[in-house]
Amino acid sequence: LAKTTQPISMDSYEGQEVNITCSHNNIATNDYITWYQQFPSQGPRFIIQGYKTKVTNEVASLFIPADRKSSTLSLPRVSLSDTAVYYCLVGYTGGFKTIFGAGTRLFVKA
Amino acid sequence: AAGVIQSPRHLIKEKRETATLKCYPIPRHDTVYWYQQGPGQDPQFLISFYEKMQSDKGSIPDRFSAQQFSDYHSELNMSSLELGDSALYFCASSGPGTDKSGYTFGSGTRLTVV
Repeated sequence: LAKTTQPISMDSYEGQEVNITCSHNNIATNDYITWYQQFPSQGPRFIIQGYKTKVTNEVASLFIPADRKSSTLSLPRVSLSDTAVYYCLVGYTGGFKTIFGAGTRLFVKA
Repeated sequence: AAGVIQSPRHLIKEKRETATLKCYPIPRHDTVYWYQQGPGQDPQFLISFYEKMQSDKGSIPDRFSAQQFSDYHSELNMSSLELGDSALYFCASSGPGTDKSGYTFGSGTRLTVV
């Protein structure tokens, strides 16, 4: 499974756009990139998933360059409630285990 | 929509006791995953089951065992509990048609070993 590297923590202010970049240099051809959000004492929650280029949903965008060795999660206009840990996972979605690396602790300030 | 149900939500056990955690996946999901998350740590994959067979294994101690039953619910059995087993235990499920939506996690069971 591809190993991922993310910043340990990030700070932002309400209303700003936050971009969290994840490195996954040895991503395999059939691997997808998935981002999860986790609040304290809650289970991780799926945010977005992509394979290449750009994916957008109602809460975030995911940018994946052509070489797929990194990806960037973009959260538009964050609020205090977006304070959480964000995990980037890389793997084959048909596989049977998903390995969490060290996530990014995002702190949104008023 | 139905979610992944875990029980109990909280559990307090003494050292060397046994604990059983239960997970009920989303209906029609055939795969269950178990994770352990210690205080301030990232989730660690323990074990997974697909169609009632163990499909993959992570850092699960030999004192732990798990299985998936005919109704697809899963149980994680933990014996000879140690203080270090205190953690949040999450179950997740996936199934046909969920390839693009990731896994769905339950709210977890908080196990405290005293």
